[in-house]
Amino acid sequence: DQQVKQNSPSLSVQEGRISILNCDYTNSMFDYFLWYKKYPAEGPTFLISISSIKDKNEDGRFTVFLNKSAKHLSLHIVPSQPGDSAVYFCAAYSGAGSYQLTFGKGTKLSVIP
Amino acid sequence: NAGVMQNPRHLVRRRGQEARLRCSPMKGHSHVYWYRQLPEEGLKFMVYLQKENIIDESGMPKERFSAEFPKEGPSILRIQQVVRGDSAAYFCASSLGQGREAFFGQGTRLTVV
Repeated sequence: DQQVKQNSPSLSVQEGRISILNCDYTNSMFDYFLWYKKYPAEGPTFLISISSIKDKNEDGRFTVFLNKSAKHLSLHIVPSQPGDSAVYFCAAYSGAGSYQLTFGKGTKLSVIP
Repeated sequence: NAGVMQNPRHLVRRRGQEARLRCSPMKGHSHVYWYRQLPEEGLKFMVYLQKENIIDESGMPKERFSAEFPKEGPSILRIQQVVRGDSAAYFCASSLGQGREAFFGQGTRLTVV
């Protein structure tokens, strides 16, 4: 039972354009969401997070949007750069004090120069 | 400022052998988590440890797998009598407190032949 779903296995975007990565979840108990970036043969690197009490969080070129009613979040990267090419994982915690991250399967982003 | 260190990076074992994976958390971190990533899948939680204590091992197979985080030294994930299905990337993460932005190591890629 996939509680965090990333339905697009891959995405290609031209350099300089916007990349939008989507994530859906089914568990209403999830209250904190994170995006991780992963290069081949490396571990996931924390990118940006959002609490369920917010609907937007911005950090430089990266913005995460949360739509609680739709159980949907998205990561926007503007402008996209070739170095952004990686696999992006959406992950979630459920409840205060929760320590177990639930991950999606990831979306492979390719930014074309 | 060393991050989470895992070794070895790659490990090849024959069926029936034992695999020992090591993880040194970030300096000052006393919370350690192990995750497993099977091919084409997201990371799945295995076990959560604090110094000398297993807090939650609900994601770890009941047989052949064990984990420890001794008072001195790294955390160890031990897999006895490995089978082909154990081939995966095993990631360790650590955090300052329980939950929230956990930092991941580069992973150990276990191949069982």
